[in-house]
Amino acid sequence: NAGVTQTPKFQVLKTGQSMTLQCAQDMNHNSMYWYRQDPGMGLRLIYYSASEGTTDKGEVPNGYNVSRLNKREFSLRLESAAPSQTSVYFCASTNRGGEAFFGQGTRLTVV
Amino acid sequence: GQQVMQIPQYQHVQEGEDFTTYCNSSTTLSNIQWYKQRPGGHPVFLIQLVKSGEVKKQKRLTFQFGEAKKNSSLHITATQTTDVGTYFCAVTSGTYKYIFGTGTRLKVLA
Repeated sequence: NAGVTQTPKFQVLKTGQSMTLQCAQDMNHNSMYWYRQDPGMGLRLIYYSASEGTTDKGEVPNGYNVSRLNKREFSLRLESAAPSQTSVYFCASTNRGGEAFFGQGTRLTVV
Repeated sequence: GQQVMQIPQYQHVQEGEDFTTYCNSSTTLSNIQWYKQRPGGHPVFLIQLVKSGEVKKQKRLTFQFGEAKKNSSLHITATQTTDVGTYFCAVTSGTYKYIFGTGTRLKVLA
C-alpha cells in the first residue's frame, strides 16, 4: 500500500505564480487534511475535508483553495504565491479511529 | 478556536536520561493523540488517549491523560538516539478538525 502520496516533493515558485499540490490516499479514508509546517510553529491546519464533497477552513486558510476531487484525492491550490507561503506542506488522511496518516510532504519555496 | 500549548519547545538530554513533554489545553478535550516526526520526515501516529486518567505504555514510552482531560504527557525512559525527533500532541476541535501543538524537539546526545 502506498498510503498517502503527495506530489511534487519539492517546488520553487516565483512570487505571483500559481500551483496545485496533489494528494491521493489509497486507504479508503473519508477525511483528508492539508497542513503547513514552519519552524517553531508546529503543524497548522489549512483546510480539511470531512468527506467527499465537503471542505472546510482550518486555522490558516487565507491564500489557499482546495478541491476534494473524489474520495481518494484532495488538492491544494495557491493562486498567487507569496514568500510567506514558503513552508513544508503535508497532506493527511484519517481512519475511523482518528489516526492520521501523513504524506511525505512538499517543500515549497516562494522567491 | 481550540489551542494547545506544548512544553518544552526544545529538550537536549544525554543518552540514558529520561524525557517528558507536556500538552495543555484550556478546555476539556474529548481525546488526545501523540505523533513523532523524525528530522526530515513526516509525523507518525503513536497513540490516542480517550479516558480521563488513562495511562498507556509502549515499551519505553508512557502516555498519560489528565484526570480533567485538559492535559497530557509523554514520558520516555532511558532515551536512545533513535528517540530523536519532534513530538506533537494533537486534539480535535469539533469532530473532524485536528489541531496540533507546536511540538517538542528532542535531541539525544550520545
